[in-house]
Amino acid sequence: GAGVSQSPRYKVAKRGQDVALRCDPISGHVSLFWYQQALGQGPEFLTYFQNEAQLDKSGLPSDRFFAERPEGSVSTLKIQRTQQEDSAVYLCASSDGQGGTNEKLFFGSGTQLSVL
Amino acid sequence: TQLLEQSPQFLSIQEGENLTVYCNSSSVFSSLQWYRQEPGEGPVLLVTVVTGGEVKKLKRLTFQFGDARKDSSLHITAAQTGDTGLYLCAGGLYGQNFVFGPGTRLSVLP
Repeated sequence: GAGVSQSPRYKVAKRGQDVALRCDPISGHVSLFWYQQALGQGPEFLTYFQNEAQLDKSGLPSDRFFAERPEGSVSTLKIQRTQQEDSAVYLCASSDGQGGTNEKLFFGSGTQLSVL
Repeated sequence: TQLLEQSPQFLSIQEGENLTVYCNSSSVFSSLQWYRQEPGEGPVLLVTVVTGGEVKKLKRLTFQFGDARKDSSLHITAAQTGDTGLYLCAGGLYGQNFVFGPGTRLSVLP
């Protein structure tokens, strides 16, 4: 597709349920980022992939959060045993990985997760 | 503690007015980006500044990177209702990940 695609657009989960959020990056983009955006706040970094390698997962808030990108394109962010504080918009971004100071991130529209 | 601070947090102005929003940090960044985010959408990149003291213009928007590469400003001339949105700055940490500020929420009233 022409842009970064995320699904589902909205997800409602009962506390304790597991959820899986999907990101389809722009074709050919080697870098993929996940961010969490709470209501009224800026995006907070979660994790970063270059191709299939997860190079930085320092932003994952707990071991309930897990991300993968097994073939270097589509990525899934999984949250186990969801809690109310996990409610947020989860944004995925990709870039061509040329890197350095001119890295350009292209964001998807996000998945809005509500945990009841 | 926020690595990047943005001010003001909220700004409501009339169409045609000028405004400036600020992004400040105690850290030095290799680059700084400005994004605009509309409700229900992801942030969209407006500009990247990389050199201390750099000024970039994008139509009615003027972006400046501080000499010490710790702060930046965005000035909008003759604001339009279409400028309404959340303005985010993001600092690049020498090839590592971008850190976002909390944003300035701008409302331009007709």
